[in-house]
Amino acid sequence: AQSVTQPDIHITVSEGASLELRCNYSYGATPYLFWYVQSPGQGLQLLLKYFSGDTLVQGIKGFEAEFKRSQSSFNLRKPSVHWSDAAEYFCAVGAGQGGKLIFGQGTELSVKP
Amino acid sequence: GAVVSQHPSRVICKSGTSVKIECRSLDFQATTMFWYRQFPKQSLMLMATSNEGSKATYEQGVEKDKFLINHASLTLSTLTVTSAHPEDSSFYICSAITTDTQYFGPGTRLTVL
Repeated sequence: AQSVTQPDIHITVSEGASLELRCNYSYGATPYLFWYVQSPGQGLQLLLKYFSGDTLVQGIKGFEAEFKRSQSSFNLRKPSVHWSDAAEYFCAVGAGQGGKLIFGQGTELSVKP
Repeated sequence: GAVVSQHPSRVICKSGTSVKIECRSLDFQATTMFWYRQFPKQSLMLMATSNEGSKATYEQGVEKDKFLINHASLTLSTLTVTSAHPEDSSFYICSAITTDTQYFGPGTRLTVL
C-alpha cells in the first residue's frame, strides 16, 4: 500500500537550534517526494521536492532534505530554526511531478524563544 | 511562482443548503486540478481529480453526488457541496498543475450549522 508516515505529531525546538522532521514512505514505483509547509488557516507552500539526482536537495527558507532509498526516508532539516518557522509540515509522495499526492499526517512545529 | 486562488475563503451555511467553492489558476492554465479535504489537525485527503472538459475522477469513499465537481475552463474548477450537513464541515483545498509543479490554493473553511 502507498503511504507516508511522519512519526512525530508535534515537535518543539528552541529558536536557533537545528531541526529534523522525519518522513518515511511506502511506494511501489519510483517516488516523487515533496515537503510542504502550512501556516494556520492557509494553503500549502512547497519547500522542496526530489525527483532524481543528488539525494540532498535544497529548498526555500533554508530547508534541505535528504532522500535515502535504503531507509525509504526523506527527512527535512534546517540548521537554525527561526520563530517564523512555526507551522505544520507535510511530507508527500506522488507518481510524478504533476500527479496526485499522498500526504503524511503532518508534524506541527513549535519554536521556543 | 504560480498563483491559485479560492473563493470564498470562509463560508457558513445552514444544514441542507448547497455551497459552491471556486478554484482558479490566476496566471496559468491547468488541465488538471485536485480537490483535497482537511479535518482539524489532520492531513490532506484527496477527494477527486478534476479534468478540464471531462468528468472528475473521485477517490474511493467520496460521494460524487454529494461533492459535484465541474472543470469548465482551463482556469476554473468548482466544488459544490450539495445538501450540506455538519459532518461536511472541513477545510477544502484545491491545487492546480503546471508542467512540473502542483500549486495549492489558500483553502476554504466550510462550516455547516
